[in-house]
Amino acid sequence: DTGVSQDPRHKITKRGQNVTFRCDPISEHNRLYWYRQTLGQGPEFLTYFQNEAQLEKSRLLSDRFSAERPKGSFSTLEIQRTEQGDSAMYLCASRTRQGSNTGELFFGEGSRLTVL
Amino acid sequence: AQSVTQLDSQVPVFEEAPVELRCNYSSSVSVYLFWYVQYPNQGLQLLLKYLSGSTLVESINGFEAEFNKSQTSFHLRKPSVHISDTAEYFCAVSPRVGNTPLVFGKGTRLSVIA
Repeated sequence: DTGVSQDPRHKITKRGQNVTFRCDPISEHNRLYWYRQTLGQGPEFLTYFQNEAQLEKSRLLSDRFSAERPKGSFSTLEIQRTEQGDSAMYLCASRTRQGSNTGELFFGEGSRLTVL
Repeated sequence: AQSVTQLDSQVPVFEEAPVELRCNYSSSVSVYLFWYVQYPNQGLQLLLKYLSGSTLVESINGFEAEFNKSQTSFHLRKPSVHISDTAEYFCAVSPRVGNTPLVFGKGTRLSVIA
């Protein structure tokens, strides 16, 4: 399977714990995006990378959220000191740089977080 | 900044009936428009997009959408739906210039009834 893969698919954690999600984009895609989706809402943009550079992070929901893409391939999204309001589906997407905003975003199946 | 309004959160429709899912957007600059579909337990996937040219765009599975600049709309239509069209549909917009990521609407859940 050469699509976008995310791990884990489901995570249940207790409030206050840290969680980390991993995203492996399509191999030739140099842009990688993180979105969050809550029930009844559309995907909400969080941050994105071009290669290893994080070009936009002001939309991260708080300083408890951080993302990395150290070698320009896979990316991780970490949430520290989780709160019940962090419960959501975290989506990763990738695309090539060509065509700027015309390019299709390819999404993974998401990582569902439940904070108890 | 851009925003997207999907006027219907849920649309039930009988099989083989026509359907229209409404999408309106707001933007101070020219935009590209997209419809994404999310089938149960799957990731979002592109259904169709409007970049330029003909204002009517079509997908391979019979959906079409028409860009209406004066009404700032990009409604999605299908003349005859199938059970397999049951999914969540998201309208999205991005500016033609710059690197602002896609902005999505809240989605419309289409339920096709046999």
